[in-house]
Amino acid sequence: AQKVTQAQTEISVVEKEDVTLDCVYETRDTTYYLFWYKQPPSGELVFLIRRNSFDEQNEISGRYSWNFQKSTSSFNFTITASQVVDSAVYFCALSQLNNFNKFYFGSGTKLNVKP
Amino acid sequence: DAGVTQSPTHLIKTRGQQVTLRCSPKSGHDTVSWYQQALGQGPQFIFQYYEEEERQRGNFPDRFSGHQFPNYSSELNVNALLLGDSALYLCASSLYGTGGEDEQYFGPGTRLTVT
Repeated sequence: AQKVTQAQTEISVVEKEDVTLDCVYETRDTTYYLFWYKQPPSGELVFLIRRNSFDEQNEISGRYSWNFQKSTSSFNFTITASQVVDSAVYFCALSQLNNFNKFYFGSGTKLNVKP
Repeated sequence: DAGVTQSPTHLIKTRGQQVTLRCSPKSGHDTVSWYQQALGQGPQFIFQYYEEEERQRGNFPDRFSGHQFPNYSSELNVNALLLGDSALYLCASSLYGTGGEDEQYFGPGTRLTVT
């Protein structure tokens, strides 16, 4: 069975603080994909990153960075120097290679960045 | 280049009624997936359509049905509405055959309220 757990329901930080959003996943597949999406109040899911199970190299994109560790089945997301515009709900998702983009989402972490 | 569009934006229905939600995929995409997102939860996969056929289905009752048209647009139908069907319904499009490595583009969603 596939499962994604985001244990942090809500996080509040002050602008310019760094914040890490946790994601733990379960799968028996050897090949899979992990994603992070951002959902602002408008509701539309915005794609942030995709990582396949063969690539454990960490990635940095501007203020965003991702730490993928297969040994602990985690795919954590860090925002450096957070900004008010980062306030949103963030979802981690898992997809199987042979399952045609059927995504398994976590329950999301609501990030509040205060000025 | 238009992204994924959904209509209507909001909808209010009464228990027992039927509802139809519509989705137009991103240009060049041929696969449409539907997700249900209850308040405070992550999106849950309902089903996916490709070549006008249902290819994958999540754990949803038969009251949930769909259709895909030759132009790749899709409809989600829900019969005998229950209060628990109140949710944000998200449509996602992608290119078939690319498996989990393809990025799914999500629409803004339709907010359904059942009273």
